[in-house]
Amino acid sequence: SQQGEEDPQALSIQEGENATMNCSYKTSINNLQWYRQNSGRGLVHLILIRSNEREKHSGRLRVTLDTSKKSSSLLITASRAADTASYFCATGTSGTYKYIFGTGTRLKVLA
Amino acid sequence: DTAVSQTPKYLVTQMGNDKSIKCEQNLGHDTMYWYKQDSKKFLKIMFSYNNKELIINETVPNRFSPKSPDKAHLNLHINSLELGDSAVYFCASSQDQLASRYNEQFFGPGTRLTVL
Repeated sequence: SQQGEEDPQALSIQEGENATMNCSYKTSINNLQWYRQNSGRGLVHLILIRSNEREKHSGRLRVTLDTSKKSSSLLITASRAADTASYFCATGTSGTYKYIFGTGTRLKVLA
Repeated sequence: DTAVSQTPKYLVTQMGNDKSIKCEQNLGHDTMYWYKQDSKKFLKIMFSYNNKELIINETVPNRFSPKSPDKAHLNLHINSLELGDSAVYFCASSQDQLASRYNEQFFGPGTRLTVL
């Protein structure tokens, strides 16, 4: 079955607010990545967190990883209308060749 | 410069036809992928090639046949198209094939296939 599942499925916030989306997965992983997909476009890599890391920052993005709960969260601070997109997590497991993508969270930031 | 490019961007065709989608990457990556994204945005891997060799072949109908003439190109040929093949197909590439190697994937813009 699918490895990553995200919640919420959809999120609508006002510009300037923070957006948090969560990803849960089922088996042990080596690393977890977050991607953004703007409407009608391909996915763009945002950030990667390794299984031995707990938190990582990149600009307005903050990612946490809790391997004991098999979950990760992506926080976007001070959101902008341009952050409107779908966000996907993808997990990588040792000894495998594929990343498993989650179901995605559709974020809408209202100006 | 476009890192991962796909052609065509849109493909509308009748059931039963055969069609191809082309993908090229200029990143010097060893590994390339084909993904299918359905109407619910669920992204599922179909195939992966590493240095022209097939390394992932998910449960995909054998009407779908990938071909990698060199490591910069991975094409997808689909025979006898069916209504259920309608989706967006994404090509991607990464430095190498191991999912444990902290590989970022670079995606193409997608090909929206509509089967009538």
